[in-house]
Amino acid sequence: DQQVKQNSPSLSVQEGRISILNCDYTNSMFDYFLWYKKYPAEGPTFLISISSIKDKNEDGRFTVFLNKSAKHLSLHIVPSQPGDSAVYFCAAIEGGADGLTFGKGTHLIIQP
Amino acid sequence: NAGVTQTPKFQVLKTGQSMTLQCAQDMNHEYMSWYRQDPGMGLRLIHYSVGAGITDQGEVPNGYNVSRSTTEDFPLRLLSAAPSQTSVYFCASTPSGPTNEKLFFGSGTQLSVL
Repeated sequence: DQQVKQNSPSLSVQEGRISILNCDYTNSMFDYFLWYKKYPAEGPTFLISISSIKDKNEDGRFTVFLNKSAKHLSLHIVPSQPGDSAVYFCAAIEGGADGLTFGKGTHLIIQP
Repeated sequence: NAGVTQTPKFQVLKTGQSMTLQCAQDMNHEYMSWYRQDPGMGLRLIHYSVGAGITDQGEVPNGYNVSRSTTEDFPLRLLSAAPSQTSVYFCASTPSGPTNEKLFFGSGTQLSVL
C-alpha cells in the first residue's frame, strides 16, 4: 500500500510560468515532509521541507503548501526555469521512523 | 568537502555472484542508510545505521547485508545476486537521523544482474 502518492508521472510547463507538483499521503502520523529534486545519473538533492505544524514554507522560487485535513501537499515553482527540468520526489516521515517514505516521482519538463 | 561518495557507479553481475557497494561520507554523520530505486517506484529503504556498530533493517532488506565498523563507511553487500536486485542504489546520510533532517545522497550505483 503506497503511503505517499504522486499521481502525475510527468508535467510539462512553459518557461516563466508556475509549476505545481502535487503529493498525497495516507499515513496521518507523518509529521515532516520533504521535496527532493533529481537529475539523471545523480543522487536526489534536498529542495525544501515543511513540518506538520506549518501550512506553508517558502525558499526563493519554491513554496511548499501542506493541507493536513486533505493529506495533501504541493510544491510551487515560480517562475519555472529550464534548470528546473528534473524528477521531483515527495517524501514523508513520522517521528522516530527509520527512514523516509518516498513517492514515485514526477518528471517536470520546462519548455522554452 | 566530498559529501557522500559511492563506488562503483556502474556494475554488471551474473546471477549468484557477490559484490560490495561502497559508501563513504566525510561529514561525520551518525546516520547512514541505503535505498534502492526501481523504475516507476519511489526510493525504498534497505538498511540503515544510527552509528558505528549499529545496523538495522529497512523496508526491503532481503538479500542484502550491511556493517558499520566506522562512522565514515557503510558498505552494502549482495551475497548472491539475483535479477530482482537490478536497480539503482543510493546511499544517504544525515547528522543524527532522518526525523526533521534532510538526507544527503550519493550519486548512486547502477547495478544490473543478468
